[in-house]
Amino acid sequence: GAGVSQSPRYKVAKRGQDVALRCDPISGHVSLFWYQQALGQGPEFLTYFQNEAQLDKSGLPSDRFFAERPEGSVSTLKIQRTQQEDSAVYLCASKLTAPGDSPLHFGNGTRLTVT
Amino acid sequence: GQQVMQIPQYQHVQEGEDFTTYCNSSTTLSNIQWYKQRPGGHPVFLIQLVKSGEVKKQKRLTFQFGEAKKNSSLHITATQTTDVGTYFCAVYSSASKIIFGSGTRLSIRP
Repeated sequence: GAGVSQSPRYKVAKRGQDVALRCDPISGHVSLFWYQQALGQGPEFLTYFQNEAQLDKSGLPSDRFFAERPEGSVSTLKIQRTQQEDSAVYLCASKLTAPGDSPLHFGNGTRLTVT
Repeated sequence: GQQVMQIPQYQHVQEGEDFTTYCNSSTTLSNIQWYKQRPGGHPVFLIQLVKSGEVKKQKRLTFQFGEAKKNSSLHITATQTTDVGTYFCAVYSSASKIIFGSGTRLSIRP
């Protein structure tokens, strides 16, 4: 079946621009996570949705970062006034259940480069 | 908050040699998951361990969960070039937060 889909695959933004990154999770998956992965590092947690509810946003680096999942399916991560330190791969992962034994299924990520 | 330390950061081995990566936590874990990320790819789930002292095998890969559920290891026997990538452990920091170790990058000399 279809996996997690993220778009765009690559995004180049000039410093100060706003960007929106999209994640289409696997159909029926309750949980959705966003991670930021810098080069050579592990994925860093940004935020978690259970259906449409954002239950944890403790990893968002600043108030320039905003995420939503209004209908409990597609999610968008928005970064306002991008800075060079925002350059990274943004990974979305979905999970069949709320906290439980099911694994994370990752998308291919969006590589954001801020110039 | 919850942190998980993973060592070593890198390992470069001759093809056919064994490889081990370790994940350590200061607190007791409910479970631990392992993922593999190929160069240029995304993390892919390998396995989950739940029980104290649990050992699971997948072909040449052996996963262990410590008796105190504070550490885990992934051991690969007789590495092959297809094993190249970065191996991450992942744990629940809270009910709504899964955090990843920093990863061990495995490279192999043919």
